[in-house]
Amino acid sequence: NAGVTQTPKFQVLKTGQSMTLQCAQDMNHNSMYWYRQDPGMGLRLIYYSASEGTTDKGEVPNGYNVSRLNKREFSLRLESAAPSQTSVYFCASSPTGDYGYTFGSGTRLTVV
Amino acid sequence: GENVEQHPSTLSVQEGDSAVIKCTYSDSASNYFPWYKQELGKRPQLIIDIRSNVGEKKDQRIAVTLNKTAKHFSLHITETQPEDSAVYFCAASKGRNTGFQKLVFGTGTRLLVSP
Repeated sequence: NAGVTQTPKFQVLKTGQSMTLQCAQDMNHNSMYWYRQDPGMGLRLIYYSASEGTTDKGEVPNGYNVSRLNKREFSLRLESAAPSQTSVYFCASSPTGDYGYTFGSGTRLTVV
Repeated sequence: GENVEQHPSTLSVQEGDSAVIKCTYSDSASNYFPWYKQELGKRPQLIIDIRSNVGEKKDQRIAVTLNKTAKHFSLHITETQPEDSAVYFCAASKGRNTGFQKLVFGTGTRLLVSP
């Protein structure tokens, strides 16, 4: 039982390049989330998917797009990377109801 | 929307002392309050949570208290150990009302336990 798997773990992009961060969960959770973590700012929600087939913007969606490919997979795309998007990105999932999230191991992204 | 404030941002204690981290939330409809521990370079992991129908919950050396009237909740760690050193995040959500939960996190507290 792997939980939440994120790829890649590290990535360096040049300004203007695009990339997709992959996330998959094997716990049959309905909801999935993408957060970014910056020093002193905690975890901020980028996009979320309450259930398969739906996606919604979170607190900081600008510059990002998402796809809920199926119940297991939720990807985050940066179309034109900017230095301000340098951060650690965490994917998470949760079952329906008030239960805690399970986080992936994170992707450390640097945009130069 | 919900706003969660967390204090202090840094907390240094001696091994064996107690540590208390406090959070306040703004949305009175929030009803689920988890706490996460994040060790350096690792993912956040759930350590304890509390729902709005209880005032206190304990799990060995950690406990969480909730004051719905004042809209604040706290994490208490007793008999601290060096392995408790980490960043702790509080969070709040309205899980039951919406069918799924969207957590809003505090900005984190870096706890350092010195031997």
